[in-house]
Parts: sequence; structure tokens; C-alpha cells
Amino acid sequence: ETGVTQTPRHLVMGMTNKKSLKCEQHLGHNAMYWYKQSAKKPLELMFVYSLEERVENNSVPSRFSPECPNSSHLFLHLHTLQPEDSALYLCASSQDLRAAQETQYFGPGTRLLVL
Amino acid sequence: SQKIEQNSEALNIQEGKTATLTCNYTNYSPAYLQWYRQDPGRGPVFLLLIRENEKEKRKERLKVTFDTTLKQSLFHITASQPADSATYLCALDRPGGSYIPTFGRGTSLIVHP
Repeated sequence: ETGVTQTPRHLVMGMTNKKSLKCEQHLGHNAMYWYKQSAKKPLELMFVYSLEERVENNSVPSRFSPECPNSSHLFLHLHTLQPEDSALYLCASSQDLRAAQETQYFGPGTRLLVL
Repeated sequence: SQKIEQNSEALNIQEGKTATLTCNYTNYSPAYLQWYRQDPGRGPVFLLLIRENEKEKRKERLKVTFDTTLKQSLFHITASQPADSATYLCALDRPGGSYIPTFGRGTSLIVHP
């Protein structure tokens, strides 16, 4: 185990549902990330938090809403998603956003299917 | 803009041979390069990091080289085993001083017994 947990592991939702993905890291890290991974595509960085402050939002649609209540927890709130949002959503953490702290520790991911 | 290229075709090799995966990049001089392993339906797992002033890094059966002139990193697995079968991702830091990595799409390695 990497020290990063994600729940749920699998999620099926309709386009009108509201759901949340949860990520927790037990590594004492200061930075947390959300990635989207679709088939045959590179990891797409969605959001970056450093010390609970959002430092990056990569043009992600507003139907994805992140929340970082403390440095150990990260949520991704989902509402009115589209079928093309179906993907593996990965949470990661790193010690910090500085040199020599770049290694990312990933959770197992949430496999999301939007019907 | 920065571009990372990994062979999209799967690499098939026989058990015991050395697997060599390639990561090429353009339009940038990264401060570091990382390699991750990803199994199906799982998150990537960090393997090795090599910095711009390093030519080679080793860890057990793994070896990474970093040629900043060719803008290329090679990832070697010696004495490969079927358990090494996975997708291997390379990642570079982004231009502008951010230490947030950008990932390639990965290359699938299949080791046949």
C-alpha cells in the first residue's frame, strides 16, 4: 500500500446524480492532487492543493468541485456529469511542491461510470 | 509546448531478457525525470527518479539513463519476469519551475514465460 486511500473504488452514477469521491493520505504530505485517466490517454491533472489551498485548476468543468478540508483529506464532488466523464480518477500526494519532493504517491483510484 | 513521447505499442519480450523502454521529450529541459509502474485498474507506483545532472540510476534489476542531449530516458529491466508485466509511465517536471510532473501515456510491457 502507498499510504493513500480512495473511496469508493467503483461508482456508477446517472447524469443527474450528485456523488463525492474521497481521498485520504497517511503520509504527512502537504500537497494533494486529482487526476483523470481515460483509456489510452495520459494522466490528466485536474486540481492541485498545497497546504489546503488550491494552487491549480486545469480548466476543469465546474461539474467537478474539489474540496480540501485539511492536508490529509481531499474530496471531489461530482454533479450532472456526462458519459465522457467516465474514467479512472486518481488521487495522489507528495511531500511538497518543491525540488526534491516531487515523488507522487497514488491511491488505487475510483473507477467511475456515468450512464 | 512540452511533449512527452512513449511508444504506444506494447513491448513483448521473453522471460529472462532485458526490457528497454524509451521516453523522449521535446521543447524543454527538465530538472528531473521519473518512472512509474501502473497495473490495470490501479494507481501508478513510483520506481525511480533521475535528475538532470545524473546520467544513470539503478535500483535492484532496474536501471534508468538520462541523456539531456538526446532528450531521452531509457528504462531497463534486467532478467525480466512475467510479474514485471505492466504499463510503465515516465513523468517530467513542467516548464516554469513547477515541480508538478507531467506524465507520458505509458508503454505496456508484456513478459512471456
